[in-house]
Amino acid sequence: GAGVSQSPSNKVTEKGKDVELRCDPISGHTALYWYRQSLGQGLEFLIYFQGNSAPDKSGLPSDRFSAERTGGSVSTLTIQRTQQEDSAVYLCASSLPRTGGREKLFFGSGTQLSVL
Amino acid sequence: AQSVAQPEDQVNVAEGNPLTVKCTYSVSGNPYLFWYVQYPNRGLQFLLKYITGDNLVKGSYGFEAEFNKSQTSFHLKKPSALVSDSALYFCAVRDNSGGYQKVTFGTGTKLQVIP
Repeated sequence: GAGVSQSPSNKVTEKGKDVELRCDPISGHTALYWYRQSLGQGLEFLIYFQGNSAPDKSGLPSDRFSAERTGGSVSTLTIQRTQQEDSAVYLCASSLPRTGGREKLFFGSGTQLSVL
Repeated sequence: AQSVAQPEDQVNVAEGNPLTVKCTYSVSGNPYLFWYVQYPNRGLQFLLKYITGDNLVKGSYGFEAEFNKSQTSFHLKKPSALVSDSALYFCAVRDNSGGYQKVTFGTGTKLQVIP
């Protein structure tokens, strides 16, 4: 079976441009996360979708960042007016919605974003 | 708010020696605790988790972790390190007090096993 798929794997953009990053979770996984991994910063939580519940957007660093999840499956993370400090690896993860949140996360390979 | 601390950016250990990677956590309720590993040029993989029950949990590749509620710690251990264990290790926590809570990760610890 397919794992979590992210595209593109690499994205180079110019400062000020908008970018869209895509995540296709494992089929049947209703929980979907976006994290950002920068050198020396660990895994920074961005946003969490769980089924039809309102997403937890508490980790989005600014209003330039937004995310959608259509039909409870594919998610798109959009960064508007990119800045050099947005350069990082953006990771998507999905999981089953077992009671109590004891399920493990399955991660995609990430999108390496470079803002010039 | 929940948080995780990994106090060591890097841990060096000789091959064959025991290894420990430290993790402490903070949650308002009771924790679910996880360890993930990221090998070079590979994605993050689940290693083990503590949900309830025995404080010592065993995971993949011979790793284990000990939950200590009084010290709010969940240190990762292995009795005998292998060079192939060299990787980046992340501790994570989720508050199980109810509802759908996010998973918070630490900053990661780079484990270097020296031949």
